[in-house]
Amino acid sequence: EPEVTQTPSHQVTQMGQEVILRCVPISNHLYFYWYRQILGQKVEFLVSFYNNEISEKSEIFDDQFSVERPDGSNFTLKIRSTKLEDSAMYFCASSVDGQDEAFFGQGTRLTVV
Amino acid sequence: DAKTTQPNSMESNEEEPVHLPCNHSTISGTDYIHWYRQLPSQGPEYVIHGLTSNVNNRMASLAIAEDRKSSTLILHRATLRDAAVYYCILRDYNYGQNFVFGPGTRLSVLP
Repeated sequence: EPEVTQTPSHQVTQMGQEVILRCVPISNHLYFYWYRQILGQKVEFLVSFYNNEISEKSEIFDDQFSVERPDGSNFTLKIRSTKLEDSAMYFCASSVDGQDEAFFGQGTRLTVV
Repeated sequence: DAKTTQPNSMESNEEEPVHLPCNHSTISGTDYIHWYRQLPSQGPEYVIHGLTSNVNNRMASLAIAEDRKSSTLILHRATLRDAAVYYCILRDYNYGQNFVFGPGTRLSVLP
């Protein structure tokens, strides 16, 4: 069964450093998403991406965040200068269209120290 | 996005049916009702979705009230593996692309 894969599974970084979280969505999907979940809290939407541009973003997705689909298969989330409060599980998801079900990856646990 | 309300937690015995309720009194005519679940230490997982008619798949059934202001996710025979947080989410098929997760219902399954 096709799945969304995320790498790395766990990343530790120092405050102020840049991190790139990587995702490989399901191959025929056209919509891509990033969510995050701070430990013990709910899943929060960050950004959606379609047709090589951001289609929607939340208040959390400020200038420190960016997304890219560099090569037609990967979908990346970059955090330019990490803060302690960026520590969370980050989930990538993809869907065939904007109405259908989304498939989530297993997440990357980001720890900022 | 229209809001949903769910009980914070529910308990069930293994091998018994479970009915997880969701209220969405402000649902619009273009909102699909989606259910996802999140097993411990995993990403959200699609369960089922529907618009007006009841839906069945290999995981669960979705019963939608006639006025669409509420729905119920039915697990026909709970297993220990079904212990998870279950999220009821409305998604506008005309526009809504992102999923707005609420706190969901934490389901405990007792052996």
